[in-house]
Amino acid sequence: EVQLVESGGGLVQPGGSLRLSCAASGFSFTDYYMDWVRQAPGKGLEWVGRIKNKAHRYTTDYVASVRGRFTISRDDSSLFLQMNSLKTEDTAVYYCTRDNWGIDMWGQGTTVIVSS
Amino acid sequence: QSVVIQPPSASGTPGQRVTISCSGSTSNIGIDHVYWYQQVPGMAPKLLIHRNNQRPLGVPDRFSASKSGTSASLAISGLRSEDEADYYCAVWDDSLNGRVFGGGTKLTVL
Repeated sequence: EVQLVESGGGLVQPGGSLRLSCAASGFSFTDYYMDWVRQAPGKGLEWVGRIKNKAHRYTTDYVASVRGRFTISRDDSSLFLQMNSLKTEDTAVYYCTRDNWGIDMWGQGTTVIVSS
Repeated sequence: QSVVIQPPSASGTPGQRVTISCSGSTSNIGIDHVYWYQQVPGMAPKLLIHRNNQRPLGVPDRFSASKSGTSASLAISGLRSEDEADYYCAVWDDSLNGRVFGGGTKLTVL
C-alpha cells in the first residue's frame, strides 16, 4: 500500500524547535520530489517547501515566510522538516506530500501548536 | 491573498452541475499544469485532477476540469451530498519559485 505517515507534531513555545518526520512506503521514494504543505486552523492550504530527488541533487525550495527557519531533508525512506525559531503563526497541521510534477499523494497530517 | 484566486463559496442542489474557477497569471497557470484537490473537513486533501484535466483512478467521471490561458475550472456534474467539501486548485509559480494554492472554495449541497 502506498502510504505517507507523519509524526513529531506537538506543543512548542514560541522561539522553540521541532522536527517532523514522514515515513514513506509502497513506492520508489528516492525517485520522487517531496513537499511539505501546512494548514492553519480554519484556513486554506499553504505550500511550505520541497526537496528534489538525488538526480537533482536534493535541491530545496521554500515559501518566503519560512525561509531561513525551516529545513527540509530526506534519507532513503523518510522525509524530515526541521523547524526552528517557531512563531505562533506556524501553528498548523503539517502534511507530507509526494510531488509528481504536482502533489499527487498526501499523508494524514501532524499537528504543530506554537503557544506559550 | 493568494496569487491564484478562487471564489470562497459555491452551491448547488443534488443533480445540478457546478463549476469552480481558478484565476492566475502568466507566471503560474499560464505556463504550468493545474491540480485540483477535494478536502472533507477533518481529513487530508485528496487529489481530484492532475495535469489540468486528468482524473486519477477511482475519481468519478462526474468530476472534470479544463484550463484556458491563465484560468482553470473544475466542474462537478450530478451533484451529490457527499461532494460537500472544500476544493483547492494548485500550480507552480515561476516568479515565486514555489507552489501556490488557491484560497479554496467551500461547496455546499443544498
